[in-house]
Amino acid sequence: QQQVKQSPQSLIVQKGGISIINCAYENTAFDYFPWYQQFPGKGPALLIAIRPDVSEKKEGRFTISFNKSAKQFSLHIMDSQPGDSATYFCAVSGNTPLVFGKGTRLSVIA
Amino acid sequence: DTGVSQDPRHKITKRGQNVTFRCDPISEHNRLYWYRQTLGQGPEFLTYFQNEAQLEKSRLLSDRFSAERPKGSFSTLEIQRTEQGDSAMYLCASSYLAGVEYFGPGTRLTVL
Repeated sequence: QQQVKQSPQSLIVQKGGISIINCAYENTAFDYFPWYQQFPGKGPALLIAIRPDVSEKKEGRFTISFNKSAKQFSLHIMDSQPGDSATYFCAVSGNTPLVFGKGTRLSVIA
Repeated sequence: DTGVSQDPRHKITKRGQNVTFRCDPISEHNRLYWYRQTLGQGPEFLTYFQNEAQLEKSRLLSDRFSAERPKGSFSTLEIQRTEQGDSAMYLCASSYLAGVEYFGPGTRLTVL
C-alpha cells in the first residue's frame, strides 16, 4: 500500500507562474511533512517542512499548505523560475524514517 | 564542507562482486539512514542507526546487504554478490531530530 500519493507526475509552468504539487497520506500518526528538491545526479535537498500544528508555512517563494482533516499537503512555488526545474518529493514521518512520494518533475519554461 | 559526504560517488562492478560504500554524517547528528533510489522513483528506506545501534531494517534489505556504524560516526553499506537489480543510487542521510534528514550526494552503483 502506497503511504504517500503525490501528484502530478510532471508539471510544466511558465516562468513567473505558480507551481502546485500535491500529496496525500493515510496514516494519522505522521507528524512531519517535508518537501525535498532534487537535481539530476544530486541527493535530495530539504526545501521546506511543516508540522500539523499549523496550516501554512512560507519561506521565500515556497509555501506549504497543510489540511489535517483531508490528510493532504501541497507545495506552492510562486514566481517560478527556470532554476526551479527539478524533481520535487514530498515525504512523511512519524518519529520514523521518511517515506517518500514518487516525485514530480517540474519544468519551468521561459 | 559540513554536509553529509559519501564515497565513492560512482561505482561500476561486475555481477557477483562485493561492493562497500561509506557515509560520513554531519558531525553532531546521532541518526544515520541509508536509502536506495532507482530512476524515476523516490528514495526507499533501507536501514537506520541511532548512534552505533542499528534500529530498523527494511524488508528491501536482503541478506546480501549489511550495514555498520562501528563508533556511531561514519557508516558503511556492503552489498555481497551484486546483482543487476542492485543498480541504483544509494543515498545516506543524517539527522539530529527524527524526520529532519539531510542527504548526501549519493553513490551511483552500476552492476554489469
